[in-house]
Amino acid sequence: QVQLVQSGAEVKKPGASVKVSCKASGYTFNKYTVHWVRQAPGQRLEWMGGINTGHGDTKYSPKFQGRVTISRDTFATTVHMELSSLTSEDTAVYYCTRKLTGAEWYFDLWGRGTLVTVSS
Amino acid sequence: SFVLTQPPSVSVAPGQTARISCGGDNIGSKSVHWYQQQPGQAPLLVVYDENDRPSGIPERFSGTNSGNTATLTISRVEAGDEADYYCQVWDDSSDLYVFGTGTTVTVL
Repeated sequence: QVQLVQSGAEVKKPGASVKVSCKASGYTFNKYTVHWVRQAPGQRLEWMGGINTGHGDTKYSPKFQGRVTISRDTFATTVHMELSSLTSEDTAVYYCTRKLTGAEWYFDLWGRGTLVTVSS
Repeated sequence: SFVLTQPPSVSVAPGQTARISCGGDNIGSKSVHWYQQQPGQAPLLVVYDENDRPSGIPERFSGTNSGNTATLTISRVEAGDEADYYCQVWDDSSDLYVFGTGTTVTVL
């Protein structure tokens, strides 16, 4: 079954870091890039960054540059997203999603989301 | 950065047609994609590359794109179409993915 399975909900204190994982299955891992999109309560979708699962190259939104790290484990077909220096404004659902490597620019498969709550 | 603007809400009666706009500077020169998000669920791609549909998406969903406005059209609206809809483009000048502000479709 083609799917992206994300890790469970997290509760973090301000200033901490969070690491969310996304396991891909049912398709050839390195044929798709994997991206992270977040959605704060009642807000729009917001692209954070992505990784070429073949080469490991990453691209981050300027908004998160310096605070987010996306990595992959090709043997485990898993992508990780780590966000540091958390504040209450980082409380959101974080989705992983995939995009066909190459000249396609849409996301055709999504994980179910991971709720990250930042609270003292 | 590139900005995509959508109306906050659209209301439509069952069986009628819903049209959701997505405005952006010369968006007609870009490929536009649309996602449906039901409450509490992950987004679902419903239209890509202006007017193509993934497998399993009804023909009732279609799109157009010209000038400064892209439009998602939902024909013969059903109660199950009630959701938030987002447009999305890849901005080649910045190499960033951009989502619209989102539109809530309410079926009366």
